[in-house]
Formats: sequence, structure tokens, C-alpha cells
Amino acid sequence: AQSVTQPDIHITVSEGASLELRCNYSYGATPYLFWYVQSPGQGLQLLLKYFSGDTLVQGIKGFEAEFKRSQSSFNLRKPSVHWSDAAEYFCAVDFNVGGTSYGKLTFGQGTILTVHP
Amino acid sequence: EAQVTQNPRYLITVTGKKLTVTCSQNMNHEYMSWYRQDPGLGLRQIYYSMNVEVTDKGDVPEGYKVSRKEKRNFPLILESPSPNQTSLYFCASSLSVRGETQYFGPGTRLLVL
Repeated sequence: AQSVTQPDIHITVSEGASLELRCNYSYGATPYLFWYVQSPGQGLQLLLKYFSGDTLVQGIKGFEAEFKRSQSSFNLRKPSVHWSDAAEYFCAVDFNVGGTSYGKLTFGQGTILTVHP
Repeated sequence: EAQVTQNPRYLITVTGKKLTVTCSQNMNHEYMSWYRQDPGLGLRQIYYSMNVEVTDKGDVPEGYKVSRKEKRNFPLILESPSPNQTSLYFCASSLSVRGETQYFGPGTRLLVL
């Protein structure tokens, strides 16, 4: 069955430290991959997305993610975290069929990021 | 400003009292969708619409209805709300279904007593 897993429910880092949030999916082909961020009381904002091509994707706010087909992973990284990055992060996957999307996103459970000063 | 709007933002109701949550987008998007967010479960899709008069079920459609009579509007209807529908609801839209970025509304927090 198709699924998306974010193994870490809660991560705490110090400001200025590096960050990696994990995302794994279960699917026989290459899906479309997204990372969204949700600040407290806010909607979801797209950080970055991967459809094809270069497996290292740059996003907004200094985030990047790397698609690794062999590991079925799409981990989100940031070299130096700022206090304003504290939020909940969601990995989302579009399990398209042969490149045709039906618009449905399947979300991971989310990872809450806490940043210590 | 390009945006997805939802109303109301907060709603407290009682079991069985019909309610509608409105969703509107001003980006001429074809695709619209409703999600509910529950702690530990992420977001789950309720219904989606690929265009006017075209709607289909998502993962958790039970207890919900939708309609798409106009391109810009996609209301979510709870005919007889129950406490297990207490949740945070998000509407989203995208230009098309071809893997386009989905833009999310601010959310509607619903409490069913």
C-alpha cells in the first residue's frame, strides 16, 4: 500500500545547528514529492517540491531536500536553523500513475520542530 | 492578492445541526480539495474536485458532502455533524491536477459537541 512516513514526531535543535527531517514513502514508482511548513495557527506553506530531474532541490527560507530513489526518501535539510523555523513540517506525496497526477496528496504525520536559543 | 479563503475560521456546533464551510479561491484554479488535520495523523483528504461539476471521494469522505457549481467555490457540507468530525479543516487549490503546487487556506477549526 502507498504510504508516507515521517519517523520523527518531535525534533529539538539549537539555533544555528543543522537540521535534517526525514521522510520515507512506499511506492513502486517515483512520486511527486513536497515539503510543507505550518506555523502555529497558520495554513500550510510550500517549502519545495520534486517532480523530476536534479535530485537535490532548493526551496524557500534556505531549505533543501534530496530525493534518494534507492532509499525511497525525501529528507529536508537546512544548514543553520533560525528561531523562526520552529513549526510543524509535513512531507506530502502525490502518488501519480505513469506521470499523471490525480491531485491527491498523501501527507506524513508531521514533525514538530522546536528551536532552542 | 492570490489566496484561498475559508469561512468561518472557528465554529462550535452541536451534533446533528447541519453546517457548511465555504472555500473560495481567486486564482482561477481548476483543482480544489478538502483536507482534515488531526493530531498524529497529518492531513487526510476528504473530497476533491478536478473542475466544475466534477468531484470525487478522498480517503475519509464519510459524513461529508461537497459541490462545485462554480470554479472558484468548493463548499464542504456536514449534513449531520458528529463529535468525531471535530477537527481542523483545510481547503486547497491548484492550477491543475498535474502535480501542481497546492495552495492552502488558513483553516477552519470545528468543534462538534
